[in-house]
Amino acid sequence: AQKITQTQPGMFVQEKEAVTLDCTYDTSDQSYGLFWYKQPSSGEMIFLIYQGSYDEQNATEGRYSLNFQKARKSANLVISASQLGDSAMYFCAMRGGSSASKIIFGSGTRLSIRP
Amino acid sequence: DAGITQSPRHKVTETGTPVTLRCHQTENHRYMYWYRQDPGHGLRLIHYSYGVKDTDKGEVSDGYSVSRSKTEDFLLTLESATSSQTSVYFCAISESRQTTNYGYTFGSGTRLTVV
Repeated sequence: AQKITQTQPGMFVQEKEAVTLDCTYDTSDQSYGLFWYKQPSSGEMIFLIYQGSYDEQNATEGRYSLNFQKARKSANLVISASQLGDSAMYFCAMRGGSSASKIIFGSGTRLSIRP
Repeated sequence: DAGITQSPRHKVTETGTPVTLRCHQTENHRYMYWYRQDPGHGLRLIHYSYGVKDTDKGEVSDGYSVSRSKTEDFLLTLESATSSQTSVYFCAISESRQTTNYGYTFGSGTRLTVV
């Protein structure tokens, strides 16, 4: 069975600091994709970044990067130079090759940025 | 870009009454999903569809049914609403299952309260 684990229910970070949100996953699939979504207080789900299991380089999108450690089954999100607008709920998610029609989500991390 | 819309956005209903939530897409995507979001659980898959009249159960399907008679519409029905079904419901669409790098586009969510 596939599983996503986010062990940090909440985090507080000072503005302009970098922050790492942890995510570990479990799958027996060789081919899979990992995603991070942001959910601000307004409620919408915003796609941030994607990493494929065969991608050799870590994915980056602006201030977001995904620290992919395949052997450890880890897919941490790194936000550089955090901003007040980064305060939100963040979900790690995975889409596996054997059930590629479905994405499973972790329980989320609530990130709060202090001015 | 309103490629996916959910209705209603908010609903309060009484225990035991039937409720139908609608998801409408204009993207002609094959795959459509219903998730519920609850604190501490992230998003959990209720049902999904991989084509007109083709649907399957997710991990929390008890008490829910779905129908998809047209590509653009995916309906979620609570036959007899219970207080445990108070939640935020998200619809999502996806273009393809052939590869794992297709994420979802989410609707804005429906906040359902069962009293």
